[in-house]
Amino acid sequence: SQKIEQNSEALNIQEGKTATLTCNYTNYSPAYLQWYRQDPGRGPVFLLLIRENEKEKRKERLKVTFDTTLKQSLFHITASQPADSATYLCALDYAGNNRKLIWGLGTSLAVNP
Amino acid sequence: DAGVIQSPRHEVTEMGQEVTLRCKPISGHDYLFWYRQTMMRGLELLIYFNNNVPIDDSGMPEDRFSAKMPNASFSTLKIQPSEPRDSAVYFCASSLPETQETQYFGPGTRLLVL
Repeated sequence: SQKIEQNSEALNIQEGKTATLTCNYTNYSPAYLQWYRQDPGRGPVFLLLIRENEKEKRKERLKVTFDTTLKQSLFHITASQPADSATYLCALDYAGNNRKLIWGLGTSLAVNP
Repeated sequence: DAGVIQSPRHEVTEMGQEVTLRCKPISGHDYLFWYRQTMMRGLELLIYFNNNVPIDDSGMPEDRFSAKMPNASFSTLKIQPSEPRDSAVYFCASSLPETQETQYFGPGTRLLVL
């Protein structure tokens, strides 16, 4: 069955540094991969989507890479701020239609001032 | 737009009772999704609809769970009878028809079954 792994340990970094979060997957080659942010008590909020034929996608201070050979996606937040503190979720499409998503458990990020 | 609306936000009930969760998707969104989130299993897709028609309900855990979408602006997820292991946060999400579109989540319903 499909499996997604994200850093289980919380990530603590200093303000201004780059945060790098990892999403590894097995047993499938997803057509789409998405990253979401979730704050306590709230629903996930979409950040970035990357397709299997794209190596990298950027949006402001965010960057996502997608290595289908390594079966890995990296999510970077540059010039991190305390407001970036949240849990970040990786989601993979496993039906080829970007509807049926399988989700990682998320990585908690804390940016210290 | 108000975003995806869910009610109630919190529900505490006793084992064996019927629970009904409600969702209003964003206007114009053709897809509606129901998810369950727990610490151990994370987010799990239960069922999704397209144009009010259930497309995939393979994630619905048991016959105790049922979902309906009588019109484009309303959906329900019902658990009958409820059990303590159903305790979780239930999210509704909606999306536009284009394949590359993302999903917009509601605030969730926190369900506790005693």
